[in-house]
Amino acid sequence: KQEVTQIPAALSVPEGENLVLNCSFTDSAIYNLQWFRQDPGKGLTSLLLIQSSQREQTSGRLNASLDKSSGRSTLYIAASQPGDSATYLCAVGGAGNMLTFGGGTRLMVKP
Amino acid sequence: GAVVSQHPSRVICKSGTSVKIECRSLDFQATTMFWYRQFPKQSLMLMATSNEGSKATYEQGVEKDKFLINHASLTLSTLTVTSAHPEDSSFYICSAAIWQTLENYGYTFGSGTRLTVV
Repeated sequence: KQEVTQIPAALSVPEGENLVLNCSFTDSAIYNLQWFRQDPGKGLTSLLLIQSSQREQTSGRLNASLDKSSGRSTLYIAASQPGDSATYLCAVGGAGNMLTFGGGTRLMVKP
Repeated sequence: GAVVSQHPSRVICKSGTSVKIECRSLDFQATTMFWYRQFPKQSLMLMATSNEGSKATYEQGVEKDKFLINHASLTLSTLTVTSAHPEDSSFYICSAAIWQTLENYGYTFGSGTRLTVV
């Protein structure tokens, strides 16, 4: 059974810092990995989707990498802003189109 | 892009009543939809997978008679919480797989429904 772990569980940084969120998974036989953002009481917003054949994806200040062999992904946020404060969820896509979520990282960017 | 519309966004109901949550794919056909439940400050837990025209597949520990899922068309899936109890209060989110190619796909999520049972 796939298990997804996100470290750290919570993170507080001053505005402007570059930061890295980590995601690890136990079964490397994945189809894709997706990073989401969730604001309190809201649904999920897809940030980046990495297919199993890819190693990274970039969107604006966000960069996500994928290393299937080691079971790891990182989400890099450059020049963090208070508006980046949210919970970031890593999810791994596997057989049967199933998605397994990590526990999330709650990010607080202080002005 | 592919959008899933979920409603209601928030519902309060009395214990013992039933509540229906709808998810519609607006600009694509969703053969498969997933229903998740999220407790406060926790991640999403998959409840069930619904396939159009067939019975839903429930995850272990999820009562299929309590959480009725119907996926009668390629654009609509519903989750009905029957005889709701306060412990059913939670955030429910639906999701659909969206295909970029035959091999590459991602997921799009509804905006969620906050259910409060009083």
